[in-house]
Amino acid sequence: NAGVTQTPKFQVLKTGQSMTLQCAQDMNHEYMSWYRQDPGMGLRLIHYSVGAGITDQGEVPNGYNVSRSTTEDFPLRLLSAAPSQTSVYFCASSYDPRGNIQYFGAGTRLSVL
Amino acid sequence: ILNVEQSPQSLHVQEGDSTNFTCSFPSSNFYALHWYRWETAKSPEALFVMTLNGDEKKKGRISATLNTKEGYSYLYIKGSQPEDSATYLCALGQDGNNRKLIWGLGTSLGVNP
Repeated sequence: NAGVTQTPKFQVLKTGQSMTLQCAQDMNHEYMSWYRQDPGMGLRLIHYSVGAGITDQGEVPNGYNVSRSTTEDFPLRLLSAAPSQTSVYFCASSYDPRGNIQYFGAGTRLSVL
Repeated sequence: ILNVEQSPQSLHVQEGDSTNFTCSFPSSNFYALHWYRWETAKSPEALFVMTLNGDEKKKGRISATLNTKEGYSYLYIKGSQPEDSATYLCALGQDGNNRKLIWGLGTSLGVNP
């Protein structure tokens, strides 16, 4: 059972480049979410989804897009990367659409130069 | 902006010591209080989710209590072991679900052998 899988683990981008952070879970979880973690700040919610075809904004959605075409996958897109998006990104999922007991991926460390 | 505060920020104890940390949160619109354990270079793992005032949960040597009226939760570790070294995070769910958790900054625990 792979759980929550994030790729890539590390990425360096130049300002203005675009990329997609991948997140997949094999637990048939309804709820999925993306967080960013920055020094001196708690985990902050970027976007979340309570099921295929349904997404909503979290605390810091600007600069990021998401889609949920399948239950398994929840990619996070940076359309035009900025240095302020340098962070560690975590994907999480929960069997419960209300977000109870979240399972986290290993994280993606992104640097934007 | 609602704040979830954790104290102390960090502490070091000797193997065998018992210790406890505090998570303080605004009690309005309370839904659930989560505790997660985050080891260095790994992803956060759920310890407890508590919803009722007076809840007590236990997992091995780790236990937690909840007071929703005064807005705090305690996490206790009995007989600390070096493998307990980690950052312990709490997160607050409000408005009937845990979709938009508000995270504390964590308490970093080091256990010296």
